[in-house]
Amino acid sequence: QKEVEQNSGPLSVPEGAIASLNCTYSDRVSQSFFWYRQYSGKSPELIMSIYSNGDKEDGRFTAQLNKASQYVSLLIRDSQPSDSATYLCAGDYSGAGSYQLTFGKGTKLSVIP
Amino acid sequence: ETGVTQTPRHLVMGMTNKKSLKCEQHLGHNAMYWYKQSAKKPLELMFVYSLEERVENNSVPSRFSPECPNSSHLFLHLHTLQPEDSALYLCASSQDPYGTGGTEQYFGPGTRLTVT
Repeated sequence: QKEVEQNSGPLSVPEGAIASLNCTYSDRVSQSFFWYRQYSGKSPELIMSIYSNGDKEDGRFTAQLNKASQYVSLLIRDSQPSDSATYLCAGDYSGAGSYQLTFGKGTKLSVIP
Repeated sequence: ETGVTQTPRHLVMGMTNKKSLKCEQHLGHNAMYWYKQSAKKPLELMFVYSLEERVENNSVPSRFSPECPNSSHLFLHLHTLQPEDSALYLCASSQDPYGTGGTEQYFGPGTRLTVT
């Protein structure tokens, strides 16, 4: 059973702080992970993808992948109220003969002005 | 038009109606997906088409019928739905996951479906 687990939150951080979002997965087959941001009433928007162990930075966002420990995280530096959304973690199991991205339930982030 | 578009954005239908959802992608991708998103549940993959062939069907009831006439268009035909089918239906596209283009999926805005 391929599962992706996220703390549903809500996670509240003050404006300007670092928000840390975490995700664990249950199957070692997944090679790639993706973070999506979903505003209330909107569709998921891809913000980061990570394919190898280590850190990947893009602006205020840093994704971290640790395949040995089976976790992936997203750090948001200098958090802004506009970052308030639900963040979905997804693992790509396409390499296992399936086209499926397995999504977590999402973590709701609130950035307090 | 850019990205992935979906119509209609909102749909209210009775249980005896027949309706269709439409998705179009302008990204040059060759795989397209239908997802269902219900409150407090993870995104559920319904169907996958790659190069216009259905390659995945995750035990979806037959009242949902997909159609992919070409690599840019995807439909979801609905008939005799149940109230529990009310949800946000999302279309996504990507490069062929088995190719070299990566597997990032890009979502359309979704259709908010209410079954009465």
